[in-house]
Amino acid sequence: NAGVTQTPKFQVLKTGQSMTLQCAQDMNHEYMSWYRQDPGMGLRLIHYSVGAGITDQGEVPNGYNVSRSTTEDFPLRLLSAAPSQTSVYFCASRDRAPYEQYFGPGTRLTVT
Amino acid sequence: AQSVTQPDIHITVSEGASLELRCNYSYGATPYLFWYVQSPGQGLQLLLKYFSGDTLVQGIKGFEAEFKRSQSSFNLRKPSVHWSDAAEYFCAVGAIFGNQFYFGTGTSLTVIP
Repeated sequence: NAGVTQTPKFQVLKTGQSMTLQCAQDMNHEYMSWYRQDPGMGLRLIHYSVGAGITDQGEVPNGYNVSRSTTEDFPLRLLSAAPSQTSVYFCASRDRAPYEQYFGPGTRLTVT
Repeated sequence: AQSVTQPDIHITVSEGASLELRCNYSYGATPYLFWYVQSPGQGLQLLLKYFSGDTLVQGIKGFEAEFKRSQSSFNLRKPSVHWSDAAEYFCAVGAIFGNQFYFGTGTSLTVIP
């Protein structure tokens, strides 16, 4: 049972490039979320999904897209990277109950 | 509006001393409350959670937290800190329905020998 996995661990992009951060979970959880973590800001919710085919915006969705075609995978796409998207990105999943979120190890993204 | 406040950005304690990390929340309904710990370069690990019932909850690694509805607080405590407890600690509040989760800005703990 690998839990929540994220790839890559580190990534450097140039402004304007696009990329996809991968997230997968093997716990059959319905809910999955993407957060970004910035110094002094805590974790902020970007997008989330409550099941395959269902996604919604969180607190800071601009510049990011998501889709959920399977229960296991929840990729986060940056369409045109900007320096303001330099951050550490965490994926999390949970079941309806007991509500605990399980976090992946994170992806550290730098946009130059 | 929902929010979580951790008033202490950084705390330094001596090994063996007691610890209390503060957390205050603003939420319109009965909250689900959590404390997570993050070691450097790692993801977040759940320390403990409160959903209902006994307001004093026990967690892993010897941590406990007390929910005080009248003060909108959920402070984390440990009677004797170990050097391995040095980390970043996050308080979070969640909705009963949907997937809205709000994190505090974190408290960084340094443990000195």
